[in-house]
Amino acid sequence: EVQVVESGGGLVQPGRSLRLSCVASGFTFDEYAMHWVRQAPGKGLEWVSGVNWNSGRIGYADSVKGRFTISRDNAKNSLYLEMNSLRAEDTALYYCARMGLLLSFFDYWGQGTLVTVSS
Amino acid sequence: SYELTQPPSVSVSPGQTARITCSGDALPHQYAYWYQQKPGQAPVMVIYKDTERPSGIPERISGSSSGTTVTLTISGVQAEDEADYYCQSADSSGTYRFVFGTGTKVTVL
Repeated sequence: EVQVVESGGGLVQPGRSLRLSCVASGFTFDEYAMHWVRQAPGKGLEWVSGVNWNSGRIGYADSVKGRFTISRDNAKNSLYLEMNSLRAEDTALYYCARMGLLLSFFDYWGQGTLVTVSS
Repeated sequence: SYELTQPPSVSVSPGQTARITCSGDALPHQYAYWYQQKPGQAPVMVIYKDTERPSGIPERISGSSSGTTVTLTISGVQAEDEADYYCQSADSSGTYRFVFGTGTKVTVL
């Protein structure tokens, strides 16, 4: 069974940093691109960042570019999101999502980890 | 940055047809995907490659495409179809970027 499980969320002050993790199981992790998608309370989905299978392609939304860094460790079946200079508007539920092997859609999602940026 | 635009809400009576549009300049060049999200749950894909339906998704849910607009149609709407719906696609500029639509709340009256 495919599973992705996020962790690392919490309450953090504006300007501080936080690192999210996602551990995957049930599939060959190093064959798939992985992404972070967030959803602010009561708002829509926002694609945040993604990395292809070998970290050769990485992308960021304009809203986080220069502040967030995505990475993966295929040996540990893990995806990470290093978030710096956090702002109140980064408050959201952060989902880890697997991208389909041949098509650009998200076929498996975790349950999310909540990040709250507040003083 | 690339955007996909959806109507904020659609209201429909049980048994009627709901249509949700999604507009974006790159849609003639990139496939669109549709997700259904119910409160407290992660999104679930209901349409891929503009018109294809994954296994387990009811036949009353369908997708179509015309130019810069894709449409999700729910025929014979049932109470269980009440949810938020999002389209999603890839940026066609060659960058490794993806985008979700603004989302549509479907209310079953």
